Amino acid sequence: GNSVTQMEGPVTLSEEAFLTINCTYTATGYPSLFWYVQYPGEGLQLLLKATKADDKGSNKGFEATYRKETTSFHLEKGSVQVSDSAVYFCALFSGTYKYIFGTGTRLKVLA
Amino acid sequence: DTGVSQDPRHKITKRGQNVTFRCDPISEHNRLYWYRQTLGQGPEFLTYFQNEAQLEKSRLLSDRFSAERPKGSFSTLEIQRTEQGDSAMYLCASSLGEATNEKLFFGSGTQLSVL
Repeated sequence: GNSVTQMEGPVTLSEEAFLTINCTYTATGYPSLFWYVQYPGEGLQLLLKATKADDKGSNKGFEATYRKETTSFHLEKGSVQVSDSAVYFCALFSGTYKYIFGTGTRLKVLA
Repeated sequence: DTGVSQDPRHKITKRGQNVTFRCDPISEHNRLYWYRQTLGQGPEFLTYFQNEAQLEKSRLLSDRFSAERPKGSFSTLEIQRTEQGDSAMYLCASSLGEATNEKLFFGSGTQLSVL
């Protein structure tokens, strides 16, 4: 069946460091891919998405490229801030109105 | 637009009791989803409504779980004869229904603790 695998956290970085959070997926067909973020005390919210191969989603300095050949959708940011501390979830839409989420990766950014 | 609201935020109950949660989606949203999230895990799909019709249910949803969305507005999720394994965060999300892969708007969830 369809699934999403994320790198385990927590990830701890200093401010202005480069961030990569790995995400790979297994799916039949051509899913859409998403990154959702959950800040402390808040609900999940969409960070970015990509709907087809080679698309790049971007928002708030974060980027992720849909790589069909490696079935990956890694999240990157060139310079993280303390305010980026949150839990990040990779997700795919399987085409049956059912989003499948990864286990989440907690990011902690130190000043 | 006040976002997706869920009530209550926290629920503590004894094993064997029934509980009901409510979700109010964003008013113009046609689609409504229920997810369950346990510590260290991502949200797991439970069920999905398009307007008032419940179109899909996960195999995770045993016969002790029932969800409704009368009139296609708010939704309720009821758990009968609760078990300790039901302890989790129950998340509601809604979306416009204009596309098959559009973004979900999540509520803050209801944290259930079964003692």
